[in-house]
Amino acid sequence: SQTIHQWPATLVQPVGSPLSLECTVEGTSNPNLYWYRQAAGRGLQLLFYSVGIGQISSEVPQNLSASRPQDRQFILSSKKLLLSDSGFYLCAWSGVGASNQPQHFGDGTRLSIL
Amino acid sequence: RKEVEQDPGPFNVPEGATVAFNCTYSNSASQSFFWYRQDCRKEPKLLMSVYSSGNEDGRFTAQLNRASQYISLLIRDSKLSDSATYLCVVNFGTSYGKLTFGQGTILTVHP
Repeated sequence: SQTIHQWPATLVQPVGSPLSLECTVEGTSNPNLYWYRQAAGRGLQLLFYSVGIGQISSEVPQNLSASRPQDRQFILSSKKLLLSDSGFYLCAWSGVGASNQPQHFGDGTRLSIL
Repeated sequence: RKEVEQDPGPFNVPEGATVAFNCTYSNSASQSFFWYRQDCRKEPKLLMSVYSSGNEDGRFTAQLNRASQYISLLIRDSKLSDSATYLCVVNFGTSYGKLTFGQGTILTVHP
């Protein structure tokens, strides 16, 4: 069966520091991968999606970037964090034929910027 | 108008009650529909897909009305463990499977 791993679970970082969040998927090949952010009390906002290795699309302009160095690995990064980057970051995957498939989420990373 | 709009809630119901959530979506070309459940400070989890003919999974029944662009979720015989936020989710037909999430409806089931 497919599983998705995301780490770390919680992270406290100072303003201006770099960020790297990692997500890996097991048990499937060539998944679509997604990064979301959920601010406190708000809905999910899609940040990036990837349909293949090295293919990254951004949904909203921001202080973050994403990379997909391997088929089942998706990384969210920032060179300098802002206070507004605080939130709950979720990685998700969906299978081939993604236009009608649900997405499955990792446990999430709760990021606090001080 | 929001792309996916849900009842704001919160809903507070006693155990054993039947509760229904509604959701409307703006894009008539939408292709697929889901209900997710999100517990406090946890990730969303797929509750069920919503099919055109309606579908049932135990105590949960989902309905889709494409003409009215309306989705519903019915929960029968509510349990304490059903307390969560319920997210209405729509795929508007993008090739990369983008899902648009409603803001969610909070359900609290009390003894």
